[in-house]
Amino acid sequence: LAKTTQPISMDSYEGQEVNITCSHNNIATNDYITWYQQFPSQGPRFIIQGYKTKVTNEVASLFIPADRKSSTLSLPRVSLSDTAVYYCLVGEASSSNTGKLIFGQGTTLQVKP
Amino acid sequence: DAGVIQSPRHEVTEMGQEVTLRCKPISGHDYLFWYRQTMMRGLELLIYFNNNVPIDDSGMPEDRFSAKMPNASFSTLKIQPSEPRDSAVYFCASSLWGGKAFFGQGTRLTVV
Repeated sequence: LAKTTQPISMDSYEGQEVNITCSHNNIATNDYITWYQQFPSQGPRFIIQGYKTKVTNEVASLFIPADRKSSTLSLPRVSLSDTAVYYCLVGEASSSNTGKLIFGQGTTLQVKP
Repeated sequence: DAGVIQSPRHEVTEMGQEVTLRCKPISGHDYLFWYRQTMMRGLELLIYFNNNVPIDDSGMPEDRFSAKMPNASFSTLKIQPSEPRDSAVYFCASSLWGGKAFFGQGTRLTVV
């Protein structure tokens, strides 16, 4: 499984765009990149998944460069409620094989008023 | 859909007692995962099942831990005997396809 590295913590202010970068130098050809969000006292929640280039949904955008050795989760105009831990996961994610879902230490995002 | 349902939400037990945590996955999901979360160790994958069959239990800390999935709608994680260091939040998650798992609310276990 590819190892991921992301910042332990980040601070931001309400209304700002937040970008969290994850490094995964050993990503394999069949690996997808998935991001989860976890609020205190809750289980992680799927945010977004991508393989290459850019993916956008109603919550966030995911930017993946051509070499796929890193990815950036972008949260537009954060609010206090976006304060959470954000996890980057790398692994096989085809419809026929979920495989292991291994969570690293995550990035604790603190949004300030 | 009610999502992944775990019970109990909170459990306080004495050291040496048997503890059983329960999980009902989302109907139709083929994969079920058990995780343990602590401040020191983060979110650890204990075991996961595919179509009710254990695929990887390498994360199970020791023989005191066991997990079963007798059918597609029910799984248990058992600790016998329990120890104070087992105190943690235990999460169950289920998934239909790769990468997108749905987590339950967790069971907060305290062993005194």
